[in-house]
Amino acid sequence: DTGVSQDPRHKITKRGQNVTFRCDPISEHNRLYWYRQTLGQGPEFLTYFQNEAQLEKSRLLSDRFSAERPKGSFSTLEIQRTEQGDSAMYLCASSLRLAGNTIYFGEGSWLTVV
Amino acid sequence: DQQVKQNSPSLSVQEGRISILNCDYTNSMFDYFLWYKKYPAEGPTFLISISSIKDKNEDGRFTVFLNKSAKHLSLHIVPSQPGDSAVYFCAASGAAGAGSYQLTFGKGTKLSVIP
Repeated sequence: DTGVSQDPRHKITKRGQNVTFRCDPISEHNRLYWYRQTLGQGPEFLTYFQNEAQLEKSRLLSDRFSAERPKGSFSTLEIQRTEQGDSAMYLCASSLRLAGNTIYFGEGSWLTVV
Repeated sequence: DQQVKQNSPSLSVQEGRISILNCDYTNSMFDYFLWYKKYPAEGPTFLISISSIKDKNEDGRFTVFLNKSAKHLSLHIVPSQPGDSAVYFCAASGAAGAGSYQLTFGKGTKLSVIP
């Protein structure tokens, strides 16, 4: 399978704990995105990398959210001091081109904060 | 301010008939439009896209129509099959600025194809 891979698929954590999600994009894709989806809503853009550079992070929901892509390959999304409102599906996607581009999503990582 | 709107939360269609899913947008800077299909607990799967220079794009049973003057697009599925039952999301992106790297999604339409 050469699609976008996300890990873990499901995470249950206690409020206040930190969580980290990993994303492995399609190998030839140099652009990587993180989105969040809550029930009844469409995916919501969070941040974007071109290779290892994070070119847009203003849409990260708060300073508790951070993302990295240290070698331009896989990426991590960390949420510190989780809150119940962080419960959602976190989606990673990748693409080849920028404008007019089709992005391909992974299976998503479900987060439940209890 | 919702820039991409899918006004029908749900749609039921008989197997073999046509499914028509609609999407409206407000941002005139959008120039590339996509449809994704999503099953529960899975990520969205790309279905079909259309550039603003076209008014129709077809791929097998799926056809997307774009009416730029009305800022409206639709996805036609013919014939509909039970496996098409899923949530369908309309998304849009622009040529420049934030729109060039960010997809803006509608809230989705849940399609149920009845055998």
